[in-house]
Amino acid sequence: AQKVTQAQTEISVVEKEDVTLDCVYETRDTTYYLFWYKQPPSGELVFLIRRNSFDEQNEISGRYSWNFQKSTSSFNFTITASQVVDSAVYFCALSGFRGTGFQKLVFGTGTRLLVSP
Amino acid sequence: ETGVTQSPTHLIKTRGQQVTLRCSSQSGHNTVSWYQQALGQGPQFIFQYYREEENGRGNFPPRFSGLQFPNYSSELNVNALELDDSALYLCASSPPDQEKLFFGSGTQLSVL
Repeated sequence: AQKVTQAQTEISVVEKEDVTLDCVYETRDTTYYLFWYKQPPSGELVFLIRRNSFDEQNEISGRYSWNFQKSTSSFNFTITASQVVDSAVYFCALSGFRGTGFQKLVFGTGTRLLVSP
Repeated sequence: ETGVTQSPTHLIKTRGQQVTLRCSSQSGHNTVSWYQQALGQGPQFIFQYYREEENGRGNFPPRFSGLQFPNYSSELNVNALELDDSALYLCASSPPDQEKLFFGSGTQLSVL
């Protein structure tokens, strides 16, 4: 069975602080995808990143960076110099590769990030 | 803006009633999925439709059913509503051969 654990329920930081959101996953699949989504108060899940299991390169996109470590089954997300607009719930998710167009995302319980001015 | 629109945005029903939620995905997206998100939880997979056929289902009873239409719209139907069905229902679509889902803003369903 697949499982995603986000142990941090809520994190509060002050603007301009760096913050790391943790994600640990479990899967028996050898090929899988990992995702991060952001959910602002409007409710829509906003796609941030997708990584496949063969690509362990860390990635940086502006103030966002992701650290994928297969050895520890972790896919952590860091926001550098946080801003108030980063306040949202962040979800880590896992998907196995099934082909035939089938895709099921297994989500963690989310981490609520509060950035205060 | 993902191009995935859901209606209605909010809905109140009473226990035992039936409800239909609607989703319109982007042109060319041949896969649509539905997720249920209870308060304070992550979304849970309900089912997925691929080329108008159900091709995967999560741990939800048969009173949860769906349809996908040729024009890329989709419906989620829930019969015999229970109080625990109160949740945010999210629709997501995916273009061919892309392991990426685009989500709508959801329908907030309250069952009283």
